Amino acid sequence: EIVLTQSPGTLSLSPGERATLSCRASQIISSSYVAWYQQKPGRAPRILIYGASRRATGIPDRFSGSGSGTDFTLTINRLEPEDFAVYYCQQYGRTFGQGTKLEIK
Amino acid sequence: EVQLVQSGAEVKKPGESLKISCKGSGYSFTSYWIGWVRQMPGKGLEWMGIIHPGDSDTRYSPSFQGQVTISADKSIGTAYLQWSSLKASDSAMYYCARHFRVATVAYYFDYWGQGTLVTVSS
Repeated sequence: EIVLTQSPGTLSLSPGERATLSCRASQIISSSYVAWYQQKPGRAPRILIYGASRRATGIPDRFSGSGSGTDFTLTINRLEPEDFAVYYCQQYGRTFGQGTKLEIK
Repeated sequence: EVQLVQSGAEVKKPGESLKISCKGSGYSFTSYWIGWVRQMPGKGLEWMGIIHPGDSDTRYSPSFQGQVTISADKSIGTAYLQWSSLKASDSAMYYCARHFRVATVAYYFDYWGQGTLVTVSS
């Protein structure tokens, strides 16, 4: 089974800064099958990015995804207060990474 | 509007059985897989398995195979997750989600239910 490892575990930044979140797979996966989700406390996760780089409907363009092979990245430009949350990557619509908590510095 | 509405919170004792539900609306229920995801308190997301309501084809994570049963009743547009004998370690939030699944295009969960909190305690 493919294992996804996210880093860092916690990222402390200020509003207006850029966040770079990493997701590394234990083996090569097709970028078509990499997705990113955002989860806020007490809420269900929300799809942000699918196909490694395609924004889901309604997602602001400050969110972007990239990567291929085993290394994938979620970048959030110009952090807004509502962006502070936990982010998960997923492969093949199956296993998730352990999550990165983005907190306000 | 696509909606997945889950059944309400449950409090059960160890050894009891339980079946929680997820009702889909606003789309063709038999055209999309439905998945179940566990989130234990303060922890991350765990993929449990998926079912295709059209033909009941079901796939389980190795971690959950034999521990739970996923089913669906397409006549009423509802998917289920059930346990025959609950343990305290089954206490968690359980989410259902619609699985967008197009080969060579993308696989991901595009719509989520609100979650069902299951508490197992003596």
